[in-house]
Formats: sequence, structure tokens, C-alpha cells
Amino acid sequence: QVQLVQSGSELKKPGASVKVSCKASGYTFSSYAINWVRQAPGQGLEWMGWINTNTGNPTYAQGFTGRFVFSLDSSVSTAYLQISSLKAEDTAVYYCGRFLGSGKYFDHWGQGTLVTVSS
Amino acid sequence: QSVLTQPPSVSAAPGQKVTISCSGSSSNIGNNYVSWYQQLPGTAPKLLIYENNKRPSGIPDRFSGSKSGTSATLGITGLQTGDEADYYCETWDSRLSAVVFGGGTKLTVL
Repeated sequence: QVQLVQSGSELKKPGASVKVSCKASGYTFSSYAINWVRQAPGQGLEWMGWINTNTGNPTYAQGFTGRFVFSLDSSVSTAYLQISSLKAEDTAVYYCGRFLGSGKYFDHWGQGTLVTVSS
Repeated sequence: QSVLTQPPSVSAAPGQKVTISCSGSSSNIGNNYVSWYQQLPGTAPKLLIYENNKRPSGIPDRFSGSKSGTSATLGITGLQTGDEADYYCETWDSRLSAVVFGGGTKLTVL
């Protein structure tokens, strides 16, 4: 069965970096894009962008350029989200999701990774 | 401010029916498929409806979706206490070239 398993919670200090992983299984990794979605505490879902798992080409949503980097290690069917120069407002749960381009929807989600930025 | 507008909250009694609206524009709902997600407390979102009105396998037919013009609606019949969750609509916005979500609706089953 399709599964997306994300890395565990992180506690970081302001200015540090964090790398969240999303390991896919149960399907051909390169056949579906991986998208990233942020959910700040008590807030709604916010689309961060996506990475083409065939070419490795990332696309970033408005507001997620510069400090945010999407990458892949296709040899282990894993996508990564790296955030640098962390700020308190980056505190959120970050989700990866398998995205079907034909219908433009997420059919499977990772369990989420809580990133807490605090001094 | 979300591109898609949902009511912040809805409520109904067990066994009753509820609808959740999602309003957009011609650049998003008007010309693209709508999906709906259920997010139970402390968990990841789960796909309920895709391509306006299709249910993934395992989703009961108590959940339904429809779309008309630039608005979409999620319907839930036979409400159960286990349906208490946040519900989000989602679509593609062709003008923004972006996935957009509604602000979410909290369902309370009284």
C-alpha cells in the first residue's frame, strides 16, 4: 500500500536549519509529484510548492522562496524539505503529499513533522 | 486571507445532515476540479472527495461533493461524533499557478 513516512519532530533555535524527510513506498516514486504543505499552530493548510520526482525540478509557492529548498534522493524514494535561517514563525507542522496532476489533488499524505523554533 | 472561502464552523446533531460551502472564482473553482479533505484532531488531512464528486475507496457514501459555477459543496449525511473534524476544500488556481486551500471549516456534532 502507498505510504509516505516523514521524519520526527524537531526543536531548533532561531537561525538554525532543519531538513525534513518524506520516504515513499508502495508505488513508483518517479510517477507522482511530491508537494509540501505547512500548517501553523491552530491555522489552516498552506501550499508551499512541489518537486517533480522525475526531473528533480522544484517549484516554490509565493512566500516560500529563498530559505526553503525541496530536494530528492530517488535511490531511496525520499523527498526532502530544508529550511534555513529558521524563525519563530516557521513553527508549524509540515506535510508531504502525493499529488495527482490530472485531477490536482493529494491522494496520500505523510503523517506530518512538527518543527518548533524557539530559543 | 484564503483564496477559497469556507464558513469557519458548522454544527448539527448526530444523524442529521450538514453542508459545507467553498466559494472561489473563475480562475480556480470555476475552471478546475475541487477536492475535499478531512482533518481529525492531531492527524494529517485525508482525502474525502476528488474531481468534484468522486469518493476514494473506503470513503462512505455519507460524504458527497458537488460543484456549480465558482462554488463547491461538501455534504455529510447521518452525522456521527467521529465526523467532528476540520474540513478543507482545495483546487488549482490557474491565474496564480498554485494549489489553493479554503480556510477550513470546523464541524461540531452536537
